[in-house]
Amino acid sequence: TQLLEQSPQFLSIQEGENLTVYCNSSSVFSSLQWYRQEPGEGPVLLVTVVTGGEVKKLKRLTFQFGDARKDSSLHITAAQPGDTGLYLCAGKAGNTPLVFGKGTRLSVIA
Amino acid sequence: NAGVTQTPKFQVLKTGQSMTLQCAQDMNHNSMYWYRQDPGMGLRLIYYSASEGTTDKGEVPNGYNVSRLNKREFSLRLESAAPSQTSVYFCASSKGGQPQHFGDGTRLSIL
Repeated sequence: TQLLEQSPQFLSIQEGENLTVYCNSSSVFSSLQWYRQEPGEGPVLLVTVVTGGEVKKLKRLTFQFGDARKDSSLHITAAQPGDTGLYLCAGKAGNTPLVFGKGTRLSVIA
Repeated sequence: NAGVTQTPKFQVLKTGQSMTLQCAQDMNHNSMYWYRQDPGMGLRLIYYSASEGTTDKGEVPNGYNVSRLNKREFSLRLESAAPSQTSVYFCASSKGGQPQHFGDGTRLSIL
């Protein structure tokens, strides 16, 4: 069973600060997804990365897939209160179903 | 655009009762999924349907059954509810590959 460890579990920062959250595994993934979930709603897909070393940017969010395809990071520049939510990573390996991490709960204080 | 619609949004059951959670998508997606989300456990896959007419077990299928009624609809049935099935249930869909669009969930409590 693949396990995805996300860190930190909780993060509270002031508006305007930068932050990085991590998603690590001992397994190699063919693809890795990041989602954001707000209270009372379902997760929303932010990005999919498939190539080792790949970097994708979505406005102030930068996603990186590790060279060995075992880990990923999400960096947010100049965080805003609208970035508050639960950030989930999920990885796909072979024919096994997608495995989700437990998430990082981010709170951005104005 | 409705996306993925789940009904009901909330439900309280007694142990042993049965119920069906409904899910419909209007994006002409081939694949549909049912997940449960529990505190400290993340999202876990119960069943999925890669295409109309096919269903497969996920990580935690025991106590559940599914029906892919047509391309739009994928239902999840609890035949005899147990307190351990108290959770938030999410339905998702995608063209293929990984879940892209999630519904807003059904919050189920079993007493």
